Parts: sequence; structure tokens; C-alpha cells
Amino acid sequence: NAGVTQTPKFQVLKTGQSMTLQCAQDMNHEYMSWYRQDPGMGLRLIHYSVGAGITDQGEVPNGYNVSRSTTEDFPLRLLSAAPSQTSVYFCASRIRIYSNQPQHFGDGTRLSIL
Amino acid sequence: KQEVTQIPAALSVPEGENLVLNCSFTDSAIYNLQWFRQDPGKGLTSLLLIQSSQREQTSGRLNASLDKSSGRSTLYIAASQPGDSATYLCAVAPPTDGNNRKLIWGLGTSLAVNP
Repeated sequence: NAGVTQTPKFQVLKTGQSMTLQCAQDMNHEYMSWYRQDPGMGLRLIHYSVGAGITDQGEVPNGYNVSRSTTEDFPLRLLSAAPSQTSVYFCASRIRIYSNQPQHFGDGTRLSIL
Repeated sequence: KQEVTQIPAALSVPEGENLVLNCSFTDSAIYNLQWFRQDPGKGLTSLLLIQSSQREQTSGRLNASLDKSSGRSTLYIAASQPGDSATYLCAVAPPTDGNNRKLIWGLGTSLAVNP
């Protein structure tokens, strides 16, 4: 049982490049989400999904796209990378959006945009 | 609007000390409250989750309490060890009958336990 797996762990991009951050979970969780973590700002929700084929915006969605074609996978796409998107990105999952079961996190992707 | 505050931002204690981390929230209408631990360069690990109807949860040397009326939760760590050094975050889940579906996060308390 691997939990939540994120790839890559580190990435450096040039401004304007695009890339996809991968996230997979093997716990059959309905709810998955992407956060970014920046110093002094805490965790901010980018996008989330309550099940395959259903996604919604969080508090900082601009510049990011998501899709959820399967229960297991929830990739995050940066369309045209900007220096302001330099951050640590975390994928998280829990069984349902409203649940008294804990949320599980991946180890993060550290992204630098030059 | 729900806000979550964790004070102090940083704490340094000698090994063996019992300590309390604080989490305050402004709206008592919550679904649950979770405490997480984050080690440097790592993701977050869930420590304890307290449901709205509960007063406390315990796991090993950790005890988390919840007082909704005062908008406070505390995380008690008994007999602290250097391995407890990490950042501790709390997150509040809003009630299910509202429009807000996201967890509200504190900024965390960075704990250093010195040998």
C-alpha cells in the first residue's frame, strides 16, 4: 500500500514551459486535491476532485489545470510556467470530501521556475 | 469567515519536557479538526483527528483536545524527544451544510526538541 505517490520530486522549468505533476493513490479515495505551500502563506488549495470526472477550483486555480479520468490519478498541469509558480506542491487524498478519516499527503514536488 | 491561528510560530524545548501546542479558530461550527506533522522536505502526516462531537483523541504520547465553545484545540506531547522536532499544523474542516468545502489551515508551529 503506497498511499499517495507524487512525481517528480524536483523540477526546474524555464518561464513559459509547460509540465504535468503526477499524483496517484491506491486507497480507492474519492477525494483528491492539490495544494501549494509557500513560506508565510501556509497551504493553499489549487484544485480538487470529488470523484472521477468531477473537478472544481480551489482558492488559487489560475495557471493550473486538472483532470480526473480515473479514481487513482489526479495530474496537475502548468500551462505556461511563471516564476510566481515556484513552490512546493502537495497532492492529498481522503476517502470522501466529508469524512472523519484522515487526509493523506504525498511527499511533494519542489518546483522552481527560472 | 473561518480563520485558524497557531501560536507560537516556533518553540524550542529541552528533551523530556511535556509541551502544549495551540490552535485557535474563529468559528465554532466545524466538522472536525486535524493535527498534522511535517518533517523538513516531506509531506504532511496526519497525527490525530477530532470529530466535532468529541473532546479529545489520544495516540501514544500525543493527546489532542477540542473546545469548540472557546475555539481552541491543543496538542499535548508528553516526554518530548528529539525525533518530535518538526512543524505541527492544524486544519479545520467546515460543516457539511455550508458552501465552503476546503480545509482551513494554520501556519504551523515549528518545534525543536534539543538533546
